[in-house]
Formats: sequence, structure tokens, C-alpha cells
Amino acid sequence: QSVLTQPPSASGTPGQRVTISCSGSSSNIGSNTVNWYQQLPGTAPKLLIYSNNQRPSGVPDRFSGSKSGTSASLAISGLQSEDEADYYCAAWDDNLNGVVFGGGTKLTVL
Amino acid sequence: QVQLVQSGAEVKKPGASVKVSCKASGYTFTSYDINWVRQATGQGLEWMGWMNPNSGNTGYAQKFQGRVTMTRNTSISTAYMELSSLRSEDTAVYYCATGRGNSLDYYMDVWGKGTTVTVSS
Repeated sequence: QSVLTQPPSASGTPGQRVTISCSGSSSNIGSNTVNWYQQLPGTAPKLLIYSNNQRPSGVPDRFSGSKSGTSASLAISGLQSEDEADYYCAAWDDNLNGVVFGGGTKLTVL
Repeated sequence: QVQLVQSGAEVKKPGASVKVSCKASGYTFTSYDINWVRQATGQGLEWMGWMNPNSGNTGYAQKFQGRVTMTRNTSISTAYMELSSLRSEDTAVYYCATGRGNSLDYYMDVWGKGTTVTVSS
């Protein structure tokens, strides 16, 4: 059981916009920033969004993040086949004194 | 470029210990934390703990306290994660990742490729 809650799966067709939600509590998302990681099949996770809505260099602006209260969302616009991957949200948890992850969302591009 | 190179795959028997290394390059090793995250096959990411390479200070997830030790050798820019009393449930890919920021705004931006640890009798 993960501390942060994500839907196990999401899907969309090429060109569509999809969103992935991440729900937490006051001790994690409610107090600290949210990060998103993309994990392509068979590879290591990659930082996709940090500090709620910042994109590292090289990440397309099709990816965006937002946070409100104890929830966060990742949006992917102009969906492409190469976006098919697992997506994880994460945040620092003040009660656990460490990083907590969501269970991950498997994105399928139909 | 910033890079973390991890040691090779390990096969261990139940009850044994494993020590995984993570060699940093392309930046000043003592500038960023090193975190360890593991992933069992078909499962999600699980954070194990962090280490400040400058001070040697560490913080471990409660689940691993007493079984995990994170250390470093600054002369060779290498971090280590040792997990003891291995059981089959510890079979996973173990990743190291640089950590930046503070608890209010903390993220892991560069990841190693992972080290597969298999625990089997």
C-alpha cells in the first residue's frame, strides 16, 4: 500500500491530452513539493517534473505538473507513442521523514 | 555529464549481506545527497534512504532501519549501500540517485542504471 495514491492505469490515443492524479496528505503533498518520474520499459526512472511544475532541461513542454492542497496532477498533451511508460509521483513526508512514492500509473498509448 | 555508475548484478543466499556501489562523475560528489531506491519485478519504486556524502549523515526508511547501511568513500566519489539479513523479498533492482534540495522541495534528478540483486537458496 503506497502512501501516495495513483490510478494503476491510464490511456489515450496519439495527440490526446491525458492527466494522471496523485493524492496524498498534509504531511507530504500538503506540506512539500511534488515530483514526477517517468520509467520507460526496462530502464531506470527519469525525473520528469520537479518542484510541482518545473521541467528539467530536455523534457518537452508537453509535460506539465500542478498541485492543489494534498493532490497533484501530471498532464501530457499531444500524446505520443513514446510516452508509453510508468509514471510515479513522489514527495517528502514529514511524518515518515523520507521520500514517499505513489504506486505508479501505467500509461498506454492506444 | 553527471553520471552514476553502479556495480554489477549480485546473487546472494538468504541471510547473507550485499554491498552495492555507486560511482559518481561529472560533478562534485559532496555537493548532492545520494538516495537509494529499489524496485521488485513488476512492482513500484520503494525509497530506502539517503546519505549526505559531505557529512556522512544518513536517513533510512523505517522498514530498513537496522538492516541497511549507507556509506561513502569521498576519495573515489563512490557511495555504498549494504543490506544485511537478506530474504527472498529483497530480490529487486537497486538504484542510486542524486538528491537535491531540502525536505520542503526535494527531488532525485540523476539516476544510476540499477543493480539487480537476487536472493535465492
